[in-house]
Amino acid sequence: AQKITQTQPGMFVQEKEAVTLDCTYDTSDQSYGLFWYKQPSSGEMIFLIYQGSYDEQNATEGRYSLNFQKARKSANLVISASQLGDSAMYFCAMISKETSGSRLTFGEGTQLTVNP
Amino acid sequence: DSGVTQTPKHLITATGQRVTLRCSPRSGDLSVYWYQQSLDQGLQFLIQYYNGEERAKGNILERFSAQQFPDLHSELNLSSLELGDSALYFCASSVEPGRVYNEQFFGPGTRLTVL
Repeated sequence: AQKITQTQPGMFVQEKEAVTLDCTYDTSDQSYGLFWYKQPSSGEMIFLIYQGSYDEQNATEGRYSLNFQKARKSANLVISASQLGDSAMYFCAMISKETSGSRLTFGEGTQLTVNP
Repeated sequence: DSGVTQTPKHLITATGQRVTLRCSPRSGDLSVYWYQQSLDQGLQFLIQYYNGEERAKGNILERFSAQQFPDLHSELNLSSLELGDSALYFCASSVEPGRVYNEQFFGPGTRLTVL
């Protein structure tokens, strides 16, 4: 069954440093997509970055990059040069053909705190 | 601003009551999804509609129902409410379901409190 695991309930990082948020996934499908969303304390869900299972290069979007290791089934989010505004909950999610429709399956989330 | 609107933003009601949450997708998006976020269950998929028809169902309770109207807006109806239904309910929309690259844009959510 499709599953996302985020093993870090909370992470702390100093402003301007890089931080890696871990995500492992499980699916029996060969075709799948991996997503990261940010949820600030205000509650909205903000899309950050996407990686397709057939993409050969790691995805990057500004200060966000995705360290995709297919054999290990991991899709870690790297945030470079952390800012105070990066403090939020971060969710890893997946879509695969294993489940009907195009539902996102989410992990439990990681609460990131950026310290000044 | 994602372009997805949800009303109301907050809803406080009593056990046993019925409420309706409304969602308008982004212009051009045909697919609407409903998710529930609670402290004990995390973020869970409830149901998906595509162009007025139900496309997929998750762990949605029988007391909950949804529909998508011809103008593509969607409503989630929650009835016989229980304390455990208190949660943040998100609506999301996307252009093209059925592909694994299917960025979903989330609305701001409706926070439901059942007293």
